[in-house]
Amino acid sequence: QSVVTQPPSASGTPGQRVTISCSGSSSNLGSNSVHWYQQLPGTAPKLLIFRNNQRPSGVPDRFSGAKSGTSASLAISGLQSEDEADYYCAAWDDSLNGVVFGGGTKLTVL
Amino acid sequence: QVQLVESGGGVVQPGKSLTLSCTASGFTFSSFGMHWVRQAPGKGLEWVAFIWFDASNKYYADSVKGRITISRDNSENTLYLQMNSLRAEDTAVYYCARERGSLGSGNHETDYWGQGTLVTVSS
Repeated sequence: QSVVTQPPSASGTPGQRVTISCSGSSSNLGSNSVHWYQQLPGTAPKLLIFRNNQRPSGVPDRFSGAKSGTSASLAISGLQSEDEADYYCAAWDDSLNGVVFGGGTKLTVL
Repeated sequence: QVQLVESGGGVVQPGKSLTLSCTASGFTFSSFGMHWVRQAPGKGLEWVAFIWFDASNKYYADSVKGRITISRDNSENTLYLQMNSLRAEDTAVYYCARERGSLGSGNHETDYWGQGTLVTVSS
């Protein structure tokens, strides 16, 4: 059971906008930046969003992140079939002195 | 280009030890903190350990504390994970990952990951 909670699944049709939530506590999301990773099937995770809402170079602006208090969200607009993947949020936890990952959300493009 | 290549995985009996390596290239290894993250078959990501760029600080997940040691050799551009008293629940793909910010300037986000090495603990 992760200390950071994500819905196990999400879905949408091509072109739609989908949002994935991430809920934590004061020791992690409440006091540190949130990062998002995308893991395509059979591959290593890829950094998608860092410091709550920053995109690494090469990540399309269809992906955006937001954080408020102890919650964060990842939004994907103009959903494409290649967005079908697992998405993880993560943050440093000051109480655990380590990184905590959410349980992951499997995104299905219908 | 930045490359991280893990090695050392394999099948090991419960209670035995194993050391994983992560060889880095394409960047100044000695300037970046490094993490180990694992993923059990069909499961989510689990952070394992983190070491500062100069090895002055190390952090571990509670699930591995006392059994696993992270270390690095900056002269060899190599990160290590020594695992002792292995258990079935340690079975996973182990990834090494580089922090995005150099010299501890980041927020522990990781921008480059290796391809992973599979550790299977089984008798």
